[in-house]
Parts: sequence; structure tokens; C-alpha cells
Amino acid sequence: DGGITQSPKYLFRKEGQNVTLSCEQNLNHDAMYWYRQDPGQGLRLIYYSQIVNDFQKGDIAEGYSVSREKKESFPLTVTSAQKNPTAFYLCASRGRGPGEKLFFGSGTQLSVL
Amino acid sequence: EDKVVQSPLSLVVHEGDTVTLNCSYEVTNFRSLLWYKQEKKAPTFLFMLTSSGIEKKSGRLSSILDKKELFSILNITATQTGDSAIYLCVGNTGNQFYFGTGTSLTVIP
Repeated sequence: DGGITQSPKYLFRKEGQNVTLSCEQNLNHDAMYWYRQDPGQGLRLIYYSQIVNDFQKGDIAEGYSVSREKKESFPLTVTSAQKNPTAFYLCASRGRGPGEKLFFGSGTQLSVL
Repeated sequence: EDKVVQSPLSLVVHEGDTVTLNCSYEVTNFRSLLWYKQEKKAPTFLFMLTSSGIEKKSGRLSSILDKKELFSILNITATQTGDSAIYLCVGNTGNQFYFGTGTSLTVIP
């Protein structure tokens, strides 16, 4: 079945530690996105990538980094510079063409120890 | 600034009730408006609306877009406990998606 796989489902970060959230898709989609969801707030864009080896900052990119070395993969690293990382992180992809909808992974809940 | 505003923020109804969820948007280079349902964790797609006045239906759910008033509604008739979820409204420019805060719907048996 085609879809987006995020791992792990739950992740705990120690202070000063970098952690990486995985996002893999087999939908052959060009565009991929990372969003952060906090209780009572809408999804906020962290980074997005339209094609391999290219990505752009979203509204809240500080403290995060990404890479897009393969079309299928768009990992997100939460660095120690992100002082409030506890949140639910959603990865999404969009098919070719600007009218396509977003497909979402099942998310990763990141908490700070 | 592009924004999407949903109302109400939360809603509690009894099974069998009909509910209307509201979404207003100000999105530059608007292309479409999308509705998603978020239960456990991953949002699932409900509707994409691009044209004014054309209602989209799926079972007990329906939605319509008013591009003049920059407004959309999502209706759910004969609600069931399985409809309990957060409903997200999203404005799309093509490459960018702008999310509302969501409406949390709770359906009581």
C-alpha cells in the first residue's frame, strides 16, 4: 500500500541532544512537508521541499534542520537549539501539480525528559 | 498575512444532532480549500473545494465554498460517536497550505 511512514511514534529527548524524526513515502510525490502541532494551535510549517536536494524554511524553522537526499525521504532533526521541542510532528507529501491535496503520516510525539 | 479561522473551537453534541463547522480564510493566490478529519493522530482527507456554490457530499458529510465571502462550511448530519474528532480547514495556494486551529467535535451517545 502506498503511504507515508513516520518513525518513531514516540521519542524522548534529553536536554542538549539532537534527535532525528524519520519520514518516508512511497507515493512518488515530489513535495514533502514537516509540520508541528501544539494543543489548541493549527499546524505550523517547519520546512518543506519541492524537489530532491532543495528545501525551504517555513514559519518556525529555527532549531530544526532537514535534508532531502532522496525523493522518498525527508528526515527532520530537532537540534538542541530548539528550546521547546515538545510537540506532535506531522510529515506530509503532495502529488505533482499545485491542486493536489496533502497526504499525512501518522506523526511522532516528541517529549523532553 | 494569510490566515484561516475556524469556529467554533470546540463543540459538544448528542448523537443524531446536525452540526455546522465554519471556516473563513484570507489566502493570497487561493487555489482550493480542504477539510481534514483528525482522530487518532494522522489527518485524513475529507473534501477539496475549488468552485463557489458547488456542494460536495460524502455520506452524512457535506461542504460548500463561497469564494466571494471567503467562507466554507462543513455539515455533518445525524452525528455518531465516530464523528468525534478535530476537523481541520486548510487554505491552499498550490505549494503552501494554511491551517486553521481546528474545531474539536465531541459526540455524546
